Amino acid sequence: DIQMTQSPASLSASPEEIVTITCQASQDIGNWLAWYQQKPGKSPQLLIYSATSLADGIPSRFSGSRSGTQYSLKISRLQVEDTGIYYCLQRYSNPYTFGAGTKLELK
Amino acid sequence: EVQLVESGGGLVQPGRSMKLSCAASGFTFSNYGMAWVRQAPTKGLEWVATISYDGSSTYYRDSVKGRFTISRDNAKSTLYLQMNSLRSEDTATYYCTRAPGYWGQGVMVTVSS
Repeated sequence: DIQMTQSPASLSASPEEIVTITCQASQDIGNWLAWYQQKPGKSPQLLIYSATSLADGIPSRFSGSRSGTQYSLKISRLQVEDTGIYYCLQRYSNPYTFGAGTKLELK
Repeated sequence: EVQLVESGGGLVQPGRSMKLSCAASGFTFSNYGMAWVRQAPTKGLEWVATISYDGSSTYYRDSVKGRFTISRDNAKSTLYLQMNSLRSEDTATYYCTRAPGYWGQGVMVTVSS
């Protein structure tokens, strides 16, 4: 199975700061990488698909990038509503696998 | 508007069975692969099973192989997850998803005596 190593496990940042979350794939997954935000008691919400494409209705302060088998989610100009847990997901091969999650809190 | 509505969860004893359903609407169900994802209380997301658009191919995570069966009825636009020999570690919220962007609201399954 493909392993997705996500870091950091948690972070705390101030409004308007820039934060970056990364996922390292254990093998090549091409651009089959998505990023999600999940808030307590809610379903995951898609932020980024195909590694770099912004999902419909998602603010442009969210962006995704890829360098080899490392994928990054950047949130520019952090807002209060960006708190939650962020997950990456590889859909290159079954079984699809998620990263362990990053809990984002605002200071 | 795409909608995925899960049903069938609840409390079940260890070793017993339960069947989840996911009613899909707002898209041509028979054109898309579907999947189940679960999340144990306070834990991360875990991919459970995938089924191809026509039901001809299925995939399972190792921990549910031989116990869970994913299936679909394209005429009814409904996805299913038959769960047998349930264990306490299967306790979770189960989500139906048309990845990557569409998810149901989730249904809770609690395995406990």
